Amino acid sequence: QKEVEQNSGPLSVPEGAIASLNCTYSDRGSQSFFWYRQYSGKSPELIMSIYSNGDKEDGRFTAQLNKASQYVSLLIRDSQPSDSATYLCAVNKWNAGNMLTFGGGTRLMVKP
Amino acid sequence: NAGVTQTPKFQVLKTGQSMTLQCAQDMNHNSMYWYRQDPGMGLRLIYYSASEGTTDKGEVPNGYNVSRLNKREFSLRLESAAPSQTSVYFCASSEGLDQPQHFGDGTRLSIL
Repeated sequence: QKEVEQNSGPLSVPEGAIASLNCTYSDRGSQSFFWYRQYSGKSPELIMSIYSNGDKEDGRFTAQLNKASQYVSLLIRDSQPSDSATYLCAVNKWNAGNMLTFGGGTRLMVKP
Repeated sequence: NAGVTQTPKFQVLKTGQSMTLQCAQDMNHNSMYWYRQDPGMGLRLIYYSASEGTTDKGEVPNGYNVSRLNKREFSLRLESAAPSQTSVYFCASSEGLDQPQHFGDGTRLSIL
């Protein structure tokens, strides 16, 4: 089992819809969770962080964390073509010096 | 506010040549990282430095060396470049190992 797992996609959604991106992790001791957005040819950019169970909202983005089930998700409301990118999940490895481990990313395509 | 600065942005080398990729951060971060990202793939950690004066191997360290010159600067050296090292290299920094990482713009390296 990969330490941080994401469906590579592409996930295709129509403009205006809700995009739901999921990430599962294997280390039960993980405490820090991050979502990055990476446009093609660019570097990863931090868009959300979450540390507690439940939802955290920031504009059109909502991060959801369920530590019991070991998953974290990112919802993008009112998806726009400009949201088309690869989204990377990062989780700290509590049993390995707390280093962040990145998932392989999910490619999101928002169609006009 | 420059954040993480990488030089050069592009480089073409011949097999067997050596070069050093430079990275500097101005956020007073303790931890710094070097990743490579190949087309359609996720980030792979080459080396990291948890704090000034320390360096450790990541997932794919073979063929590379690093130097944490001071708190701001972390360089990556290819001693004898090979075509398999053709990739995009990202430097990142964070306050601590479990904190969100901030990325530079990347160096696109081609080895012929």
